[in-house]
Amino acid sequence: GAGVSQSPRYKVAKRGQDVALRCDPISGHVSLFWYQQALGQGPEFLTYFQNEAQLDKSGLPSDRFFAERPEGSVSTLKIQRTQQEDSAVYLCASTGTGVSPLHFGNGTRLTVT
Amino acid sequence: GESVGLHLPTLSVQEGDNSIINCAYSNSASDYFIWYKQESGKGPQFIIDIRSNMDKRQGQRVTVLLNKTVKHLSLQIAATQPGDSAVYFCAESPTGNQFYFGTGTSLTVIP
Repeated sequence: GAGVSQSPRYKVAKRGQDVALRCDPISGHVSLFWYQQALGQGPEFLTYFQNEAQLDKSGLPSDRFFAERPEGSVSTLKIQRTQQEDSAVYLCASTGTGVSPLHFGNGTRLTVT
Repeated sequence: GESVGLHLPTLSVQEGDNSIINCAYSNSASDYFIWYKQESGKGPQFIIDIRSNMDKRQGQRVTVLLNKTVKHLSLQIAATQPGDSAVYFCAESPTGNQFYFGTGTSLTVIP
């Protein structure tokens, strides 16, 4: 079946621009996660949704980062006034009910110049 | 945040040999552990998981061992193949809703 889909695969933004990254989770998956992965590092938690409710946003690095999942399916991660330190791969993952592993998309590689 | 670390950042093995990748975790309350494989340009791919009420679980060519006493997790890959070359991450979850990842071990299989 279809996995987690993320778009765009690559995004180049000039410093100060706003960007929006999209995630389509696996159909029926209740929970959706956003992670940030710097080069050579493991994924770092950003935020987590259960259906449309954002239950944890403790990992968002600043108020320039905003995530939403208005209908409990597709999610968008928005970064305002991008900075060079925002350059990373942004991974989305979803999971079903109960204790189960995260299923990841292939990420969006953001480069801020 | 949580601290999940790996003992070795890189590992090289001969094709056909067995590989062992180690991971230390810090939260004794974690009760769910996962190993992921990540190839270049792709997202992490699930390999195998284990709950804290088990100390061993086997999959196809892979085995995960959990030692709760010393908070240590390992992934064993039997008869390593070139396609196994990737970065391997362990992840721990104390709640089932939050997952913490280590830095990763880069596995290179020498033909």
